[in-house]
Amino acid sequence: DIHMTQSPSSLSASLGDRVTITCRASQSVDIFLNWYQQKPGKAPNLLIYAASNLQSGVPSRFSGNGSGTDFTLTISSLRPEDFATYYCQQSYMTPRTFGQGTRVDIK
Amino acid sequence: DVKLVGSGGGLVKPGGSLRLSCAASGFRFSRYSMNWVRQAPGRGLEWVSSISPTSTYTFYADSVRGRFTISRDNAKNSLFLQMNSLTAEDTALYYCVTEPNYYETNGNYPWGQGSLVIVSS
Repeated sequence: DIHMTQSPSSLSASLGDRVTITCRASQSVDIFLNWYQQKPGKAPNLLIYAASNLQSGVPSRFSGNGSGTDFTLTISSLRPEDFATYYCQQSYMTPRTFGQGTRVDIK
Repeated sequence: DVKLVGSGGGLVKPGGSLRLSCAASGFRFSRYSMNWVRQAPGRGLEWVSSISPTSTYTFYADSVRGRFTISRDNAKNSLFLQMNSLTAEDTALYYCVTEPNYYETNGNYPWGQGSLVIVSS
């Protein structure tokens, strides 16, 4: 199985901050990497697929980068609605493993 | 409106069975692979199963293989998960999930709202 490791596990940030979350795969997943946002009590929502493609309707302050084993999710200027938990997931092969999540909360 | 609506969750005794359903609307369901993903209370996300657009291929997590069966009915825009021999470790919110098509840009790949499965005596 491909193991996905996110860092950090949690972070505190202020409104307007630039935030970067890292996801590392235990072997290459090419660009088959998705990022999800989950708010408390809600279903996750796809933000980015194929490492850098924004899902329709996702604000442009979100961006994704990377290929192979190392990926990043960046929020260019943190807004109140961005405080949530973020997960990466590889869809290169089954089982389609997730990272453990990164919780972003208010400093 | 692009949407997935799940149903069929509930309370079941250990060893029992349950069938989850997911109704798709607003997109061409038959074009996409579909997944089930679950989330135990207070835990992260766990992929459960996938099915290809025409049901040719199905895949399962080791934890459910042999007990769960994924299926779909493209004529009815519906996805299913038959769950047998349930244990307490299967207690979770079960989400139906659209697999992104990596050849599309600006795609829209919804998740269902989740169906709660509680396995308890």
